[in-house]
Amino acid sequence: NAGVTQTPKFQVLKTGQSMTLQCAQDMNHNSMYWYRQDPGMGLRLIYYSASEGTTDKGEVPNGYNVSRLNKREFSLRLESAAPSQTSVYFCATPAPNTGELFFGEGSRLTVL
Amino acid sequence: RKEVEQDPGPFNVPEGATVAFNCTYSNSASQSFFWYRQDCRKEPKLLMSVYSSGNEDGRFTAQLNRASQYISLLIRDSKLSDSATYLCVVPSITGGGNKLTFGTGTQLKVEL
Repeated sequence: NAGVTQTPKFQVLKTGQSMTLQCAQDMNHNSMYWYRQDPGMGLRLIYYSASEGTTDKGEVPNGYNVSRLNKREFSLRLESAAPSQTSVYFCATPAPNTGELFFGEGSRLTVL
Repeated sequence: RKEVEQDPGPFNVPEGATVAFNCTYSNSASQSFFWYRQDCRKEPKLLMSVYSSGNEDGRFTAQLNRASQYISLLIRDSKLSDSATYLCVVPSITGGGNKLTFGTGTQLKVEL
C-alpha cells in the first residue's frame, strides 16, 4: 500500500521544454490535487480533480495542464517550461471523511 | 489581513523546552483547522486537526481562539525529533476545490 506515488522525484529542464509529472494513488479516493511549494509562499493549489473525468483550476493554473486519466492517476503537464516554474510539486489526495491530505513525496523541478 | 499568517521563525529551543506557535486567519466562518508537520525536503503530514476549542495528543496541544481568529500549537518537552516546519492550514475564502489555504510554516529547531 504505497499511498501516493509521484514520478519523477527530480527533473532539470531547459526553458521551453515540456514534461509531465505523474501521480498515482491506491487509496481509492475520488479527489486529487496538484500543489507547488516555493520558499516563503506556502503550498499553492495548481489544479484539482474532484472525481474521475473532472478537473478544475486552482489558485495558480497558468502554464499547466492536467489529465485525470482514471481514478488512480492525475498527471500535471508543463507544455513550455519557464524558470518561474522552478518549484517543488506535490500531488495530494484528501480522505473523504476527515479531509486529511495525503501527499506524495514531491517532485523537485528546476527550469534553467 | 492575509488568509493565513504564521511567524516563519526559526524557533531555536533546547531539548525539553515548551514552545508555542500562533497562526492567525482571516475567514471568520472557518470551522475546521489543521496543523501539518513537514520535515526538510519531505512531504507534509497531518499532525493534528482542530474542530472545536482545541485538541490534545500527547505532548502536542492545539487551541482555537475564534474571537481573536487564531490557532496555536503547543509542544511540551521538546525532542530533537520535533525539529521540522509546522504548517497551519485553514479553510480558504478564495477558490480551489479543497478550499484550504496553507500558511508559509514555522520552523522549529530543537537543540541539545
